[in-house]
Amino acid sequence: DVVMTQTPVSLPVSLGGQASISCRSSQSLVHSNGNTYLHWYLQKPGQSPQLLIYRVSNRFSGVPDRFSGSGSGTDFTLKISRVEPEDLGDYYCLQSTHFPYTFGAGTKLELK
Amino acid sequence: QIQLVQSGPELKKPGESLKISCKASGYTFTDYAMQWVKQAPGKGLQYMGWINTQTGKPTYADDFKERFVFSLETSASTAYLQINNLKNEDTATYFCARGTLFAYWGQGTLVTVSS
Repeated sequence: DVVMTQTPVSLPVSLGGQASISCRSSQSLVHSNGNTYLHWYLQKPGQSPQLLIYRVSNRFSGVPDRFSGSGSGTDFTLKISRVEPEDLGDYYCLQSTHFPYTFGAGTKLELK
Repeated sequence: QIQLVQSGPELKKPGESLKISCKASGYTFTDYAMQWVKQAPGKGLQYMGWINTQTGKPTYADDFKERFVFSLETSASTAYLQINNLKNEDTATYFCARGTLFAYWGQGTLVTVSS
């Protein structure tokens, strides 16, 4: 199975500040069709996860442009600029290139 | 609007079985696969597998090949997760999610297994 190593585990931030979360995979996430199926989700306390970024760098409908994704191959990053209170929660990366799909262990974004 | 609505919380004893439903609305049910994800209390997300909503064929991750069954009632736009011979470690919230992007999620169903 592809192992997704997500860092950091906890990320204290100030409102208005910037956050960066890393996700590294144990093998390349480039599919045979050329696409890279690496996605990012936010799970707010007591809620279901919500899709933020799909296929590395595409913002899902309604996601503010403060969220951006980048990376390639095995190394991916989610950046959040101008952090707002509603951005706090647990962030997960997910690879759906190789079955079984696998999630990162999560990063808790919290106030400093 | 697109919605996945799951059935309510369950309290079961070890050895019992249960069936969770996930009713889809706002889109054509058979256009997208349905995924299943487990989240144990205070833990991260664990992928369980998916079901092809056109053929009904389920595919399970290794940890979920023994007691777990994905099924469909296509006429009702509903997917099901059945768990047989429940164990304490099945205590978790179970989510359904739509498609390969997991773009839409159900609200989750809390399953508690306790004697």
